[in-house]
Amino acid sequence: GENVEQHPSTLSVQEGDSAVIKCTYSDSASNYFPWYKQELGKGPQLIIDIRSNVGEKKDQRIAVTLNKTAKHFSLHITETQPEDSAVYFCAATPYNNNDMRFGAGTRLTVKP
Amino acid sequence: DVKVTQSSRYLVKRTGEKVFLECVQDMDHENMFWYRQDPGLGLRLIYFSYDVKMKEKGDIPEGYSVSREKKERFSLILESASTNQTSMYLCASTRGSLNEQFFGPGTRLTVL
Repeated sequence: GENVEQHPSTLSVQEGDSAVIKCTYSDSASNYFPWYKQELGKGPQLIIDIRSNVGEKKDQRIAVTLNKTAKHFSLHITETQPEDSAVYFCAATPYNNNDMRFGAGTRLTVKP
Repeated sequence: DVKVTQSSRYLVKRTGEKVFLECVQDMDHENMFWYRQDPGLGLRLIYFSYDVKMKEKGDIPEGYSVSREKKERFSLILESASTNQTSMYLCASTRGSLNEQFFGPGTRLTVL
């Protein structure tokens, strides 16, 4: 089955700096890669996703890049703000949500 | 506004008790999931259901069972709670096979 590794486990940046979180996956058949943000006391919420037919996707300050050859994908947050502080999870699945595997999570802290 | 609700935010139970965690979604989603979230391990799938009365085991079903009598409701049952089931439990729902999962706020269960 799919195995997803996520790095780093914790990340601290100054407000305004960029943050990058990286994930690798094992199943070359994986074709859907969502990123979830979990704020304190809440469930995870989808912030961006990418499918295997594209290499990059942007949504305002958030971007995700996918390298299918190397089997890794990354989340980029530019101009970080304190409200970006949360735990971020990457995930990958080859077929459907039932087969989705999540990374261990990255706790991002943005210092004002 | 889409919503997944869970019956309790915090729950404290004794070893050996039978525990029921309830999840309700109002989006008419056919797929529902129960995850367990532990530090450093990410989200691990316990059980999922793709239709009323249908259920499938996830990665860590041991010690758990589920019930889905109505489309909007998915229950997780701990037949005899043990201390190693102390964790955060997250319910999610989705429509289709590769779409955004909507998560509830989670239930933090402590088994003493």
